[in-house]
Amino acid sequence: EAGVTQFPSHSVIEKGQTVTLRCDPISGHDNLYWYRRVMGKEIKFLLHFVKESKQDESGMPNNRFLAERTGGTYSTLKVQPAELEDSGVYFCASSQSGWWTDSPLHFGNGTRLTVT
Amino acid sequence: DAKTTQPPSMDCAEGRAANLPCNHSTISGNEYVYWYRQIHSQGPQYIIHGLKNNETNEMASLIITEDRKSSTLILPHATLRDTAVYYCIVRPTNTGNQFYFGTGTSLTVIP
Repeated sequence: EAGVTQFPSHSVIEKGQTVTLRCDPISGHDNLYWYRRVMGKEIKFLLHFVKESKQDESGMPNNRFLAERTGGTYSTLKVQPAELEDSGVYFCASSQSGWWTDSPLHFGNGTRLTVT
Repeated sequence: DAKTTQPPSMDCAEGRAANLPCNHSTISGNEYVYWYRQIHSQGPQYIIHGLKNNETNEMASLIITEDRKSSTLILPHATLRDTAVYYCIVRPTNTGNQFYFGTGTSLTVIP
């Protein structure tokens, strides 16, 4: 089966511009998550979808970040306007149904975002 | 936020077993222990997880102490491709899915 795929793999934008990251989860996985690692820091949780609904968005840093998952399939994470501190690697992960179970998360290879 | 403690780095000779320790003294009775690894420029890769009993799969073995306050990930025959950062994660059940990655253990397999 295909794994979690993310697009683009790299993005370089200027401060103030908008960037949209895309994540395609493993087929059939209702749970989709976004994480990120900013320079020198640990990987941090951003938010969690169950199908098209936001289950937990407590990790979203501010209102410049907007995540959507229309139709409960792929997800997008938009940063508008981008700031220098948004630079980092953004990971998407998915897991099978039942977020309260022990199903492991499967991660994509991330999108490396550089804001100049 | 992190609920685990790991040594920052370890070395292991190629072909030998790599034993990576993790302390999770505040773990709750229904929290699982997960292990992931991250090889440079890739996403975190799931290795194994467990609750109480020891677990084994094609990648590794997980040994959890009886009091569940610590665990050890064992890579039975380390190869150069096992060089990576290994994360021990306790999965909280109250929030569902916030994995706290911490800083992990950087394992270097030496030829």
